Amino acid sequence: RKEVEQDPGPFNVPEGATVAFNCTYSNSASQSFFWYRQDCRKEPKLLMSVYSSGNEDGRFTAQLNRASQYISLLIRDSKLSDSATYLCVVERGYQLIWGAGTKLIIKP
Amino acid sequence: ETGVTQSPTHLIKTRGQQVTLRCSSQSGHNTVSWYQQALGQGPQFIFQYYREEENGRGNFPPRFSGLQFPNYSSELNVNALELDDSALYLCASSLELAGAGHEQYFGPGTRLTVT
Repeated sequence: RKEVEQDPGPFNVPEGATVAFNCTYSNSASQSFFWYRQDCRKEPKLLMSVYSSGNEDGRFTAQLNRASQYISLLIRDSKLSDSATYLCVVERGYQLIWGAGTKLIIKP
Repeated sequence: ETGVTQSPTHLIKTRGQQVTLRCSSQSGHNTVSWYQQALGQGPQFIFQYYREEENGRGNFPPRFSGLQFPNYSSELNVNALELDDSALYLCASSLELAGAGHEQYFGPGTRLTVT
């Protein structure tokens, strides 16, 4: 079992819809969590950190469920520009462990 | 833009050769982490440098080595290149140690092809 697991997708979603994806992690001691987005053949860009209480940034909402060891990302009113791969990142000691990413395609 | 720069952008090397990749961290950041990202995979942690010292290493052989300079820029060296080393190499800088919850900001990467 991988330390950080994500559904690879792709998720094909019409513009304006709401989409959510989860990421599960195996290390219960992890304290820091992040979502990054990565466009094709580009570097990952930080989308948001995930806090225990959950956090929201515009159309994006991240939630952490420690009991079930997963984090989620919700995108509301999706835009064509949201098409990308979304990477879940979990801290393990001095390093960050990355999921393989979930591909999201927003269709007009 | 993140302010993290990497050079070169692309590189083609032959199996058995050696390569040096460079990274300049964002102003004010003292930590640099290096990652290898194969196609369709998430980044794999190679190692992290904090104030000029290696502070953590992933599951990579010793032929992957690095350095951090007093200005916090960094180099990744790979000796005896193998075909499987072909990947995007990413450098990320953070204000402090990445594992302490500090966010990482990435450079554009160096795409290495080994033939």
